[in-house]
Parts: sequence; C-alpha cells; structure tokens
Amino acid sequence: DAGITQSPRHKVTETGTPVTLRCHQTENHRYMYWYRQDPGHGLRLIHYSYGVKDTDKGEVSDGYSVSRSKTEDFLLTLESATSSQTSVYFCAISVWWGPSYGYTFGSGTRLTVV
Amino acid sequence: DQQVKQNSPSLSVQEGRISILNCDYTNSMFDYFLWYKKYPAEGPTFLISISSIKDKNEDGRFTVFLNKSAKHLSLHIVPSQPGDSAVYFCAVTGNQFYFGTGTSLTVIP
Repeated sequence: DAGITQSPRHKVTETGTPVTLRCHQTENHRYMYWYRQDPGHGLRLIHYSYGVKDTDKGEVSDGYSVSRSKTEDFLLTLESATSSQTSVYFCAISVWWGPSYGYTFGSGTRLTVV
Repeated sequence: DQQVKQNSPSLSVQEGRISILNCDYTNSMFDYFLWYKKYPAEGPTFLISISSIKDKNEDGRFTVFLNKSAKHLSLHIVPSQPGDSAVYFCAVTGNQFYFGTGTSLTVIP
C-alpha cells in the first residue's frame, strides 16, 4: 500500500459553497495528482504538483485550485461548487517502476453538489 | 482531443471464457502502456503494463498485447472469473499520462 489517504470519502454540498478535498501521502513522493472520474470521460487530470508550492493545471482545471504547503498534503479546492462538479475525485502519486512510471491512486472522494 | 479511446463501454463474458478489452491511441510517441482495474468505491489499481519495445506481456491470467503499427492495445483475461468484474482503464505515457474512458467488464457465473 502506497499510503495515500483521501478525506472526506463522501461529501454533499450546496451549489455556490467552497469545498476542500484533502490528499495525504506518507511516502515522500514528489509528484501528486488530482483526477476526476465521470461516466463516458474516464479519468481526467485536474491539477498536479511536482513539489512543495509547485503546481500546474491539467485538462479540466477551471473552477478548481490546489495547494501544496507540505510534501505529504495536496489539497483540491472547489472555489464555488457547481452541479457539474459532482463527481468522484481521485488523488494519485507517481511511482517509478523502471523503465517507466505508473500511478498509485487513493480510494476516492465522492462529491455531490446539490 | 482524446489521446486514448476505449470504444466498448461495457462487455459481458461467461465465466471461464476469454475476455478481450481493447484500447486505441493516437500518438506513436507513447512509450509505455498500462491497464488499471477499478472496483466500485475503490481507487484504480495497477494490473499490467508493457513497454513499446515489446508486443506481449503476460502475468498469470492476464496478457497485454501491443500492436504499434495499428496503435492498438488489448488486454486478454483467460479464464475469466466473476472477481474480474470491474471497470478497466487503459493508460499511455510519454511526457504525460493519458487514460481511456474505461470498459465495464461483467463476468457471468
């Protein structure tokens, strides 16, 4: 187990409210990612981080922000939640397997925006 | 544009038979290919991978085939078991990681 914990596991929130999801890892991995999974779209990258305070946008970053103040924690914030952000959110770390790398995922956060 | 496509959203197979899941990609520069398996309420987990220098990799009941000229990747599961029922994502890597849309496999006892 790569030691990735996501919290909360489930969240219901109202439209327009801010929401923060947390990803915590225990193995000092440099790269961390936030994905969302939606039917028909698979896994889409929201934001990623390549170090403390170093982040960049992914494919579907609009309406989301991230922060990484410590190596072990990567936070995803929905600044003003909308119904289109109802989804399952996964955090991932990249692990070098030689000759390439792969991802290890957390268990996910199911977010419902009503 | 979708870099990776899984054109079959779902697949049903009888227990004991072969399951074949397919994946097409667009960029010949991708150099590593993976399959992930996802059960409900869990995160995706790594299943099997193959590098671009090979055309086949086998791990127990799971075999991944790579056809670089056709830009096609497939996963064979033989024999299929009810516990294999899950969503399967293919993924490709170059400078970035790209995932397919997933195929939901149901193995019927």
